Amino acid sequence: ETAVFQTPNYHVTQVGNEVSFNCKQTLGHDTMYWYKQDSKKLLKIMFSYNNKQLIVNETVPRRFSPQSSDKAHLNLRIKSVEPEDSAVYLCASSPGLGVSYEQYFGPGTRLTVL
Amino acid sequence: GDSVTQTEGLVTLTKGLPVMLNCTYQTTYSPFLFWYVQHLNEAPKLLLKSSTDNKRTEHQGFYATLHKSSSSFHLQKSSVQLSDSALYFCAPSSGGSNAKLTFGKGTKLSVKS
Repeated sequence: ETAVFQTPNYHVTQVGNEVSFNCKQTLGHDTMYWYKQDSKKLLKIMFSYNNKQLIVNETVPRRFSPQSSDKAHLNLRIKSVEPEDSAVYLCASSPGLGVSYEQYFGPGTRLTVL
Repeated sequence: GDSVTQTEGLVTLTKGLPVMLNCTYQTTYSPFLFWYVQHLNEAPKLLLKSSTDNKRTEHQGFYATLHKSSSSFHLQKSSVQLSDSALYFCAPSSGGSNAKLTFGKGTKLSVKS
């Protein structure tokens, strides 16, 4: 049963355009994440938020900006997309920040940059 | 930072055979270890996890034992099924209250009839 929802499922756009992805979790979790999964299936964390506060900001280009309106929502905006941004963007949530917490993933948004 | 090394690439097996997918890790702090499984076009989901040294953890026929002395958490199953074909990620989590998962490169398991 899906509890982490992402929209859109797919997005195709041109280089230089701006895109936004949405994520919502209905698990009541405090912590949410954005991951990038590239064509080789490598999973890299981009950002994590705890109760709307940015906790982890990995080395990602400045054109990526996360936004959290409340602890159930975490969006991702890419200001001016580049070809290397083509990937699947996965949102996840966990009960909190502790080491033992399982992360629950959404189905992902597949971005194709032409 | 933390790092993890998994069996590289593709592992192809005939159903009914045993499998072991290797995972070794390096972490700054004592970690929790996770195995996630990702079926084709699906989200990763937890398979099993552990932080207890030398204790076997099992779920859905898969099992793993965390060995802190060798920094290993290999995933095993005694008899693979066609439905086990998927991408498997090992991921340590360490760092206290600001913990994050560090995913390995993933091992693709393909089970044939």
